[in-house]
Amino acid sequence: AQSVSQHNHHVILSEAASLELGCNYSYGGTVNLFWYVQYPGQHLQLLLKYFSGDPLVKGIKGFEAEFIKSKFSFNLRKPSVQWSDTAEYFCAVNTYNTDKLIFGTGTRLQVFP
Amino acid sequence: DTAVSQTPKYLVTQMGNDKSIKCEQNLGHDTMYWYKQDSKKFLKIMFSYNNKELIINETVPNRFSPKSPDKAHLNLHINSLELGDSAVYFCASSLTGGPGQGVYSPLHFGNGTRLTVT
Repeated sequence: AQSVSQHNHHVILSEAASLELGCNYSYGGTVNLFWYVQYPGQHLQLLLKYFSGDPLVKGIKGFEAEFIKSKFSFNLRKPSVQWSDTAEYFCAVNTYNTDKLIFGTGTRLQVFP
Repeated sequence: DTAVSQTPKYLVTQMGNDKSIKCEQNLGHDTMYWYKQDSKKFLKIMFSYNNKELIINETVPNRFSPKSPDKAHLNLHINSLELGDSAVYFCASSLTGGPGQGVYSPLHFGNGTRLTVT
């Protein structure tokens, strides 16, 4: 069965630190990849997406992610986090044979001033 | 304008009751979804509809019955509510190439309905 793994369950950083959140998926075919953010008490918002083309994608709020097909990974990065980045981050994968997004278990990011 | 709107935002009810959650999207998307987010924030798909046709029905108890009167609406009715049904339910929509063709657009999510069963 297709699955998405986010190995970092809880990350604590100070402001200005660099961030990298891991995401790996298990599916050998063509995929669409997404990172969503959920601020406390809010709904999921799209940070960035990869459908095809340049494997390094840039999203909102200074986030970027790199698709490495050989590693089945789509890690999220930000060079300098802010307190307002405190949220839950979800990686999600859509495989071409389905219409659904499969989500990882999420990573809780806490940024302290 | 809210792209995906769901009501109510909060729902508190007792075990055994029947309740409904409504969802509407104005994005012109052809596919709508219901996801359940549990207390550990895990998101699991429950159902998806493409142009009013049920496409995905995960292993969800048959007490949960989705209904799509048109492609802009997807409602969720829950019979005989149980304590374990307490969660946040998110409606979402996207544009797809049709059943089994993958998504053409990211999913847009509603604000969620926090269901508490006592």
